[in-house]
Amino acid sequence: SQTIHQWPATLVQPVGSPLSLECTVEGTSNPNLYWYRQAAGRGLQLLFYSVGIGQISSEVPQNLSASRPQDRQFILSSKKLLLSDSGFYLCAWFRISSTDTQYFGPGTRLTVL
Amino acid sequence: KQEVTQIPAALSVPEGENLVLNCSFTDSAIYNLQWFRQDPGKGLTSLLLIQSSQREQTSGRLNASLDKSSGRSTLYIAASQPGDSATYLCAVNSGGYQKVTFGTGTKLQVIP
Repeated sequence: SQTIHQWPATLVQPVGSPLSLECTVEGTSNPNLYWYRQAAGRGLQLLFYSVGIGQISSEVPQNLSASRPQDRQFILSSKKLLLSDSGFYLCAWFRISSTDTQYFGPGTRLTVL
Repeated sequence: KQEVTQIPAALSVPEGENLVLNCSFTDSAIYNLQWFRQDPGKGLTSLLLIQSSQREQTSGRLNASLDKSSGRSTLYIAASQPGDSATYLCAVNSGGYQKVTFGTGTKLQVIP
């Protein structure tokens, strides 16, 4: 079966510090991977998606970036965090067919102080 | 641009009641619609996926319907239990990999 891992589970960082969140997928190959952010009282916002190694598409201009160094690894980064970056970050994947279910990881709670 | 609305934002019901959660979307040209459950501080768990050609899907006490022409979906929960307490999210897939739009969810509390 397929499994998504995210770490860390929670993170508290000062404004201006760097960020690295990691997502890995098991039990599948060549997944389409996604980073979402869920802010309090708001729906999920798609940040980045990737259809393959080194292929990143950004949906929202911001101070975040994403990378996909390996087939089943997706990383979300920032050089300098802002207060507005606080939120719940979720990694997800589709199987090859876009008519399939989207699966989500357990999430990372980021608090920027 | 697809917009997804969920009403009500919060709902509190006594245990045993049947209830309906609503999801509406503005663009009827969709691939599928999915209902998720999210427990506090957790990721999303898929409950039901309805393809655009389908009218409803059932899983246990859950039944989801889809009316594309009116831009609406409902999630029916029969004989609610305290363990059903969670936030329920509706997600509309309008064009494949990068066009999934989520509603803001309905927070359900089932009181014992």
